[in-house]
Amino acid sequence: ETGVTQSPTHLIKTRGQQVTLRCSSQSGHNTVSWYQQALGQGPQFIFQYYREEENGRGNFPPRFSGLQFPNYSSELNVNALELDDSALYLCASSLATSGRRGEQFFGPGTRLTVL
Amino acid sequence: KNQVEQSPQSLIILEGKNCTLQCNYTVSPFSNLRWYKQDTGRGPVSLTIMTFSENTKSNGRYTATLDADTKQSSLHITASQLSDSASYICAAMDSNYQLIWGAGTKLIIKP
Repeated sequence: ETGVTQSPTHLIKTRGQQVTLRCSSQSGHNTVSWYQQALGQGPQFIFQYYREEENGRGNFPPRFSGLQFPNYSSELNVNALELDDSALYLCASSLATSGRRGEQFFGPGTRLTVL
Repeated sequence: KNQVEQSPQSLIILEGKNCTLQCNYTVSPFSNLRWYKQDTGRGPVSLTIMTFSENTKSNGRYTATLDADTKQSSLHITASQLSDSASYICAAMDSNYQLIWGAGTKLIIKP
């Protein structure tokens, strides 16, 4: 176990709805990254948060947004859900001072199904 | 365009046998190359991290190699076990700390 937790485990929504996914990072880690992983594909980088500020973003539309809290936990919000948003959403925590060699520790993911 | 390609897409081998998985990357500027193991429906778990100056890195029965000139990496698994059945994904980190991921190789170990 990595110490990174995500909730909920599974979620079913309909098109047009909004969803909030949550992530608690490993103790002492100040950086959280979010990824979307479609079935049979590798993860795609959504964005990263460091000390409550967005610190890099992948090729995702603005309806994907996030927050990081003072305790370094994080939320991913997706508005106006589309069928293609169905995926496993992963968060990973890391320590910024580890630099580029720093390991990212992944949570178990949230499986989102959009009907 | 930054991308990572892996081969084969899937592989079936008998327990106890060795195998090698391939990863080609075109990520520039390149920082490091990572291999992950991902069980179905779970988050990836890091196996190795290598910078451009490292040629080989081992983690138990897993040995990763990196050729920064040809932009190729491989993951060799020795004496496979049933618990090695998983997807193996390589990811290259660029200078912006962003990981570019491959689609993975699905490995099935048969008794």
